[in-house]
Amino acid sequence: LAKTTQPISMDSYEGQEVNITCSHNNIATNDYITWYQQFPSQGPRFIIQGYKTKVTNEVASLFIPADRKSSTLSLPRVSLSDTAVYYCLVGALKAAGNKLTFGGGTRVLVKP
Amino acid sequence: SAVISQKPSRDICQRGTSLTIQCQVDSQVTMMFWYRQQPGQSLTLIATANQGSEATYESGFVIDKFPISRPNLTFSTLTVSNMSPEDSSIYLCSGTSGSQETQYFGPGTRLLVL
Repeated sequence: LAKTTQPISMDSYEGQEVNITCSHNNIATNDYITWYQQFPSQGPRFIIQGYKTKVTNEVASLFIPADRKSSTLSLPRVSLSDTAVYYCLVGALKAAGNKLTFGGGTRVLVKP
Repeated sequence: SAVISQKPSRDICQRGTSLTIQCQVDSQVTMMFWYRQQPGQSLTLIATANQGSEATYESGFVIDKFPISRPNLTFSTLTVSNMSPEDSSIYLCSGTSGSQETQYFGPGTRLLVL
């Protein structure tokens, strides 16, 4: 079972880039890495997903080194509305037992 | 993507009673899951809701305490049985569609047990 570790909190300012690293040393071969954003009183919202190397979409980039034991979510030019908790999820939905492990979450505060 | 709704959004219950939470998806999803999230904490997977068969529970969760139904591809229920204050938490359902590994989450049900 992949144990995931993230920083508890992170402060930033509007317009800056925010990078959040998740450690998952015993990630399995079939596991994907997915990042979610959660606002208070809401369910988590999908941001980005990757398996290896780099993935980019309209809101974020995900960097995964060759050994896949960590991953870094990059949020370019954050705004106040990006203040939220960000979760790293490691696992494979179709794997036996669905070993899905959420990290503890990183509380990102974007300041004006 | 799939839009997921949950009922009730919140409830206050007495210990020893049971509450059934409903999860409705606006489109057919391949897999559905139930999670628990303590306030300010991360999410813990309770079980996978399997259509037409018994749910698959994670370690620490049992069917007698958290019976789950999934009669079709768009609906599932989670019952929290014989509740105690320790069951006070947020319960979330999620679903995946097609071959994707992406989960879409409902807004959660906030439960307080007195």
